[in-house]
Amino acid sequence: EDKVVQSPLSLVVHEGDTVTLNCSYEVTNFRSLLWYKQEKKAPTFLFMLTSSGIEKKSGRLSSILDKKELFSILNITATQTGDSAVYLCAVGGSQGNLIFGKGTKLSVKP
Amino acid sequence: GAVVSQHPSRVICKSGTSVKIECRSLDFQATTMFWYRQFPKQSLMLMATSNEGSKATYEQGVEKDKFLINHASLTLSTLTVTSAHPEDSSFYICSVREWVNQPQHFGDGTRLSIL
Repeated sequence: EDKVVQSPLSLVVHEGDTVTLNCSYEVTNFRSLLWYKQEKKAPTFLFMLTSSGIEKKSGRLSSILDKKELFSILNITATQTGDSAVYLCAVGGSQGNLIFGKGTKLSVKP
Repeated sequence: GAVVSQHPSRVICKSGTSVKIECRSLDFQATTMFWYRQFPKQSLMLMATSNEGSKATYEQGVEKDKFLINHASLTLSTLTVTSAHPEDSSFYICSVREWVNQPQHFGDGTRLSIL
């Protein structure tokens, strides 16, 4: 059975800290791994990773994929209170469907 | 700007009512749209894949007669929850994708509360 596991499930840090969120997966016919940020409404797209070892960056956020270890991390440096959200990892299979992990709830305190 | 428009954002209605949720792709034509459901503190669970001009593909355990999906055009898919009951109360979210190798973009979701 396909599955996506995220850790930790929740995390509390202070502004300025750096955090690393983890995502491991077991999915047949892997096509891509995606990270989303979900605040109160629907998830907003962050990154899409298809190749191992190539880091994607957007401001203070970055992500990398290891297809050999079936693992990805999402890094956030110099965290701000606006980074507080649930971060979702999803893996896309060959049919184009997404399998989501349960998410990591990040709380950044001032 | 928004890629996907979903409405209504909030529905509160009595048990037995049928509720229609619309999902519109604003930026591109979407031959495929996806419908998800999210219960509190749970992740998104795919309910069905909506295919323009053909029948939707439902995930195991999702009743197709209960959750009617119509994808009549390349920019619009609708999900109708028929004869809704309190256990159908949830957050329903649609997503669209331009091509297979492109990321899915999500609507703002519809919070459905059945009394």
